Amino acid sequence: KAGVTQTPRYLIKTRGQQVTLSCSPISGHRSVSWYQQTPGQGLQFLFEYFSETQRNKGNFPGRFSGRQFSNSRSEMNVSTLELGDSALYLCASSPGTEGGYSGANVLTFGAGSRLTVL
Amino acid sequence: GQNIDQPTEMTATEGAIVQINCTYQTSGFNGLFWYQQHAGEAPTFLSYNVLDGLEEKGRFSSFLSRSKGYSYLLLKELQMKDSASYLCAVRNFNKFYFGSGTKLNVKP
Repeated sequence: KAGVTQTPRYLIKTRGQQVTLSCSPISGHRSVSWYQQTPGQGLQFLFEYFSETQRNKGNFPGRFSGRQFSNSRSEMNVSTLELGDSALYLCASSPGTEGGYSGANVLTFGAGSRLTVL
Repeated sequence: GQNIDQPTEMTATEGAIVQINCTYQTSGFNGLFWYQQHAGEAPTFLSYNVLDGLEEKGRFSSFLSRSKGYSYLLLKELQMKDSASYLCAVRNFNKFYFGSGTKLNVKP
């Protein structure tokens, strides 16, 4: 069973540019969530998608956006990049349920996309 | 707001037992999870508690007290490969709130 796949693994951008990151969840998983990981802040929740709908959003500015496709693949976009956006962006998938609460649904993480903004 | 606290770093000796604590204050609670993350790798699931008490999985055990907002991860018979960061996470429906992680250094 293939794991969670994130592309690209590494990328370097300059301030003001935009970036799109991709995540392919485990087959059959319908929930995809995104996290930003930095040494100082740890893992911070960005947003969660289920069946192409954003169900939850963390406390990030509107420059951070995402979407989910009908095959559950997800993308996140960061526009007008700032130096502080340099981080590891992790995608995680889980089976998910319609009602939201899904017991012991465990997050399975991808290896991440490491973004460096110069 | 959500607040999850863990010690930043701990050091222990190979073969010993170590306990990593986690305290939390969150607006909702649907379970507490522990993840292990080796440097440069993705976090991987270790254990899950939703009810008070101890859950044991081989060398790893996790304890939860919901009334105290407290959990710990117990690692027995430490091995060098256990050197990693350990992340405590509280789930509130579809959101997971993570602590900053505890970096565990295992020495020979």
